[in-house]
Amino acid sequence: RKEVEQDPGPFNVPEGATVAFNCTYSNSASQSFFWYRQDCRKEPKLLMSVYSSGNEDGRFTAQLNRASQYISLLIRDSKLSDSATYLCVVNRVSNTGKLIFGQGTTLQVKP
Amino acid sequence: DTAVSQTPKYLVTQMGNDKSIKCEQNLGHDTMYWYKQDSKKFLKIMFSYNNKELIINETVPNRFSPKSPDKAHLNLHINSLELGDSAVYFCASSHGAVSSYNSPLHFGNGTRLTVT
Repeated sequence: RKEVEQDPGPFNVPEGATVAFNCTYSNSASQSFFWYRQDCRKEPKLLMSVYSSGNEDGRFTAQLNRASQYISLLIRDSKLSDSATYLCVVNRVSNTGKLIFGQGTTLQVKP
Repeated sequence: DTAVSQTPKYLVTQMGNDKSIKCEQNLGHDTMYWYKQDSKKFLKIMFSYNNKELIINETVPNRFSPKSPDKAHLNLHINSLELGDSAVYFCASSHGAVSSYNSPLHFGNGTRLTVT
């Protein structure tokens, strides 16, 4: 079983749609959680951190469920520019600095 | 202006050759990393250095040797290149020794290595 699992997609949605991605992680001792975004043939960039209480940044909402060991990302009112691969990232064990990346979920927003 | 820069951007070489990839960051970060992204898009950590000291060394063939002359530079040398080494190699840096909420990773733009 992979440490961080995501549905690779692709998710094809029309502009304006709401889309949600889930990610599961296997190590219950993981402490830090993130969503990174990677555009085609570019480097990953931090999209948002995921906090225990859930957090929102504009059209993006991230949630963490420690009991079930999953993380979600919700994108409302999708834009063409949201087309990218979204990487779920987990700190394997606290204080080691070793981030584990999921395979990524590809989103294509169509006009 | 570039935060994390790595060179070259593209590298095409033959099996058996030795090559190096250079990385420099001007963010003042203490920790630098090398990640490998394979054809299936999995990003896997290879090495991590904190203030020039190796702190993470994943199961990587010893043909791969990182070198950190100072905390702003982390180079990757690869000996006897193999077909399976073809991938995109990303350098990254973070503020502390731990990638945490206060010190996210900043990636370079990648080196696309093709071994023929």
